[in-house]
Amino acid sequence: DAMVIQNPRYQVTQFGKPVTLSCSQTLNHNVMYWYQQKSSQAPKLLFHYYDKDFNNEADTPDNFQSRRPNTSFCFLDIRSPGLGDAAMYLCATSTTGVSNNQPQHFGDGTRLSIL
Amino acid sequence: AQKVTQAQTEISVVEKEDVTLDCVYETRDTTYYLFWYKQPPSGELVFLIRRNSFDEQNEISGRYSWNFQKSTSSFNFTITASQVVDSAVYFCALSVLDSSYKLIFGSGTRLLVRP
Repeated sequence: DAMVIQNPRYQVTQFGKPVTLSCSQTLNHNVMYWYQQKSSQAPKLLFHYYDKDFNNEADTPDNFQSRRPNTSFCFLDIRSPGLGDAAMYLCATSTTGVSNNQPQHFGDGTRLSIL
Repeated sequence: AQKVTQAQTEISVVEKEDVTLDCVYETRDTTYYLFWYKQPPSGELVFLIRRNSFDEQNEISGRYSWNFQKSTSSFNFTITASQVVDSAVYFCALSVLDSSYKLIFGSGTRLLVRP
């Protein structure tokens, strides 16, 4: 059974029209991440939540926001998508557990297209 | 600064051949973790292995084996008797102890296993 679930699998939106991607987890992990992955590139971390604490990467555009209403759910909001925001968006979770740097568990991703 | 280099952009082998994927990392931290992830065409990132900097023992898991050499800052991944299902992009990643759980990915190696 999937433990990190991303919906939808494919999302199409119009240039400038706000879009929200969702991620849920059944692992009860306290850390959740959002990555952007463009074609033939490595995933790029946008931000992460450590419990309710939000941590933004310095180079993440202001156009990208995130919400984590509870442990299980995390949302990625793109306020005004541009053509350059077309990418695969990956959600991941991890636990701090006994030691830091536990493996991150990834969802299947949402592929976002901009018309 | 931390960095991961996967010099091989793409490798093509015939089924049943052995193949080694190279990974070289840079960090000044003495405590760090190294990971390998597999990304098949479907898009999800699948965790394969985590190794901490104090454990230089090589590891074997079925057809997969990993060779960690601190002297050369390398963490290479070998697939023995490759199969078509091994075709994917493989990412090596680094995480340092006090990095806010951030994964630093290499650029990935695309492996194509031909029948």
